[in-house]
Amino acid sequence: EPEVTQTPSHQVTQMGQEVILRCVPISNHLYFYWYRQILGQKVEFLVSFYNNEISEKSEIFDDQFSVERPDGSNFTLKIRSTKLEDSAMYFCASSDLAVTNTGELFFGEGSRLTVL
Amino acid sequence: GESVGLHLPTLSVQEGDNSIINCAYSNSASDYFIWYKQESGKGPQFIIDIRSNMDKRQGQRVTVLLNKTVKHLSLQIAATQPGDSAVYFCAENQGGSEKLVFGKGTKLTVNP
Repeated sequence: EPEVTQTPSHQVTQMGQEVILRCVPISNHLYFYWYRQILGQKVEFLVSFYNNEISEKSEIFDDQFSVERPDGSNFTLKIRSTKLEDSAMYFCASSDLAVTNTGELFFGEGSRLTVL
Repeated sequence: GESVGLHLPTLSVQEGDNSIINCAYSNSASDYFIWYKQESGKGPQFIIDIRSNMDKRQGQRVTVLLNKTVKHLSLQIAATQPGDSAVYFCAENQGGSEKLVFGKGTKLTVNP
């Protein structure tokens, strides 16, 4: 069964360092997302990406965050200068249809980011 | 503001019993609702969804009920099994947005 894969599974970084989280969405999907989950809290939307551009972003997704689809398979989330409060599990998701058109999101297993 | 929440943070049931997990939402403009299951160390997994033009939808062992009058959503799991133990989240979507707004989650524990 096709699945969304994420790397690394866990990354520890120093505050102020740049981090890139990588995702390989399901191959025929067109919509890509990043969500995050701070330990013990609910899953929060960060950004959606379609047709090589951001289609929607939350207030969390400030200038320190960026996303890119550098080739036909990878989808990356970059945090330019990490803060302690960026420590969370970051989930990538993809779908073949827009959520608003009842597109089912398939989530990866997440990348745990720990900022020291 | 937007808010999707759950009445109970934990639910413990006996194997074979039926489980009911509840969710309240406050955004009356939301028109699409999804239940997700999250097992330990994994990402959320789609269980079942429902659009606002319906009040009930059934899947395999799961049923979602939507009461728009009181802005309430529930997930019913029939004959709960140990493999159903997980955290369950409801999520809502407002038409035109790509964003899912998740609730806080209910941890379901199934006792053998």
